[in-house]
Amino acid sequence: QQQVKQSPQSLIVQKGGISIINCAYENTAFDYFPWYQQFPGKGPALLIAIRPDVSEKKEGRFTISFNKSAKQFSLHIMDSQPGDSATYFCAASKAGSARQLTFGSGTQLTVLP
Amino acid sequence: DARVTQTPRHKVTEMGQEVTMRCQPILGHNTVFWYRQTMMQGLELLAYFRNRAPLDDSGMPKDRFSAEMPDATLATLKIQPSEPRDSAVYFCASGGGGLFFGEGSRLTVL
Repeated sequence: QQQVKQSPQSLIVQKGGISIINCAYENTAFDYFPWYQQFPGKGPALLIAIRPDVSEKKEGRFTISFNKSAKQFSLHIMDSQPGDSATYFCAASKAGSARQLTFGSGTQLTVLP
Repeated sequence: DARVTQTPRHKVTEMGQEVTMRCQPILGHNTVFWYRQTMMQGLELLAYFRNRAPLDDSGMPKDRFSAEMPDATLATLKIQPSEPRDSAVYFCASGGGGLFFGEGSRLTVL
């Protein structure tokens, strides 16, 4: 059973545009929602994370929006740059699980120059 | 610059051979995870440790995979015997707040 569903599978955006990636989860016990960025040949790197007590978190050009009632969260990349081209994974974990993350299937983002 | 170190970065082996992958977690992190990444399955959790004790290895094929943490600076993942379907990138990650991944060990089993 896939517990975190991510869409779209791939995304192409023009430089300067907004990239939006969505995730939905099923397990209401999840209480930590990070996003990871992965470049080819590298390991996933933590980008930004949110807890369900806030509806939005912003770090630079990256924003997580969180909708607890809908069990959905999304990553918005403002002013997308070609250097943002990577695969993005959403994830979730439960309290007390020592960060045992369940990952979404990933979104391959391409930002055109 | 604290980081998770994995060796080898690349491994090509023949079916039936033993493969050992090693991981040095970030000093001070008390949780260590092994993930496998494939195109078809994405990132799958294989096993994880807290304070060197195995907590969950339900994602790991028990008949051929084993994970250990002989000391706080070393985690190992062993496959014996290896099979072509084990070809993947294996990631180690350690956590002390967020989860930090190594650069992975790309395994090809012929």
